Formats: sequence, structure tokens, C-alpha cells
Amino acid sequence: DQQVKQNSPSLSVQEGRISILNCDYTNSMFDYFLWYKKYPAEGPTFLISISSIKDKNEDGRFTVFLNKSAKHLSLHIVPSQPGDSAVYFCAASGYPLQGGSEKLVFGKGTKLTVNP
Amino acid sequence: DGGITQSPKYLFRKEGQNVTLSCEQNLNHDAMYWYRQDPGQGLRLIYYSQIVNDFQKGDIAEGYSVSREKKESFPLTVTSAQKNPTAFYLCASTGRTSYEQYFGPGTRLTVT
Repeated sequence: DQQVKQNSPSLSVQEGRISILNCDYTNSMFDYFLWYKKYPAEGPTFLISISSIKDKNEDGRFTVFLNKSAKHLSLHIVPSQPGDSAVYFCAASGYPLQGGSEKLVFGKGTKLTVNP
Repeated sequence: DGGITQSPKYLFRKEGQNVTLSCEQNLNHDAMYWYRQDPGQGLRLIYYSQIVNDFQKGDIAEGYSVSREKKESFPLTVTSAQKNPTAFYLCASTGRTSYEQYFGPGTRLTVT
């Protein structure tokens, strides 16, 4: 049962244009969402997050939008740069783990390629 | 500077051997996690630990074991009971009140 879905395995855009990466979730208990960026053979790096009490969070070229009624979030990258080429994982939190921290549930990732 | 280190980067083992993957953090984080990533898959939680000398099974703990004798260290042993051990293993940590998990560089384990 996949609770966090990234339905596009890959996305290709031209440098300078907008990249939009999508993520859907099924569990209404999720209350915090994160995007991670991952290069091959490296660990994911945290990119941006959003709480369920907001519908938008912006950090430089990266903006995350949350539509709770649709259980959908998206990551916008404007303008896209070749260095943005990586796999992007959406993650959701809402399962408290024994001891106090939260479990993250990850999507399968979307591979973004930004062409020069 | 602070961070998470995993060693080695690449590891090769024969089938039937146990192997231990190292994870060390100097971020003073309480919680540490082990994930496994397979091609085309998301990250799946193997084990986690919130405090020294305590750890809990994640979603795919079978064939794995861990220890947490020090706050900074959370080694993962892949035992011979793990049916498909070849994968990319990621260690992460987080502060007690934070959602963001910080990841190490990963260890690529190949078992033949």
C-alpha cells in the first residue's frame, strides 16, 4: 500500500524553464511534507518542507505547494538549472515513532533532467 | 564541521557472510535511522533508535540487526538471513523536535 506516490518516474525540462514535480498521498493523518534531492551514489539532501497548516512555502528558486483537499503537493523549480538534475523524493510525516520522533514515508522518486 | 559519515562507500561480500555497516554522526542528534534503497524504489525504514541502548524495528527489519551503544554511532549488521542484501544503505539522524532527517552518503553493498 503506497501512501506517498510520485507517479512520474522521470521529467525532462529545458534550462531556464519551470520544473514541476508532483506528489500525491493517501493518508489524511500526514501533517508535514518534505522534499529531498538525491544525486547518484549519494545520500538525499533536504530541500524544502511544508506544514499542513500552510499551502505554500518558498525558498529561493524552490516553492512547494500543498493542496490538502486533493492530498497533493508539488515542487516548483524556477528557473531550472542543469545542476538541478537529480532524483527528487517526496516524503510525508505523521506517524509518531516510539520515543517521540516521526516516521517519514517516502515516494519512489522522480528523476529530473534539466537540459542545457 | 558536523555531519553523518558512513563507511565504507562500497562493500562486497560473499553470500552467507554477515557484514556490518558503520554510521557515525557528530550532530548531537538523538534519533538515528537506517534505510534501504533499491532501484526505482523509495527509501524503506529498516531500524531506528531514539536513544542510546534502545532501538525499534522499522518496516523491513528481517535479516538485519543494530546496536546503539553510543549516541554518535548506530551500526547496522546485514546477516546471512537477509534474502536480498544487495542494495544502497542510508543512515540518517534527526534532532528530537525536528522532522528533517539528515542523511549520510550511503554504502553500496553487493553480495554475490
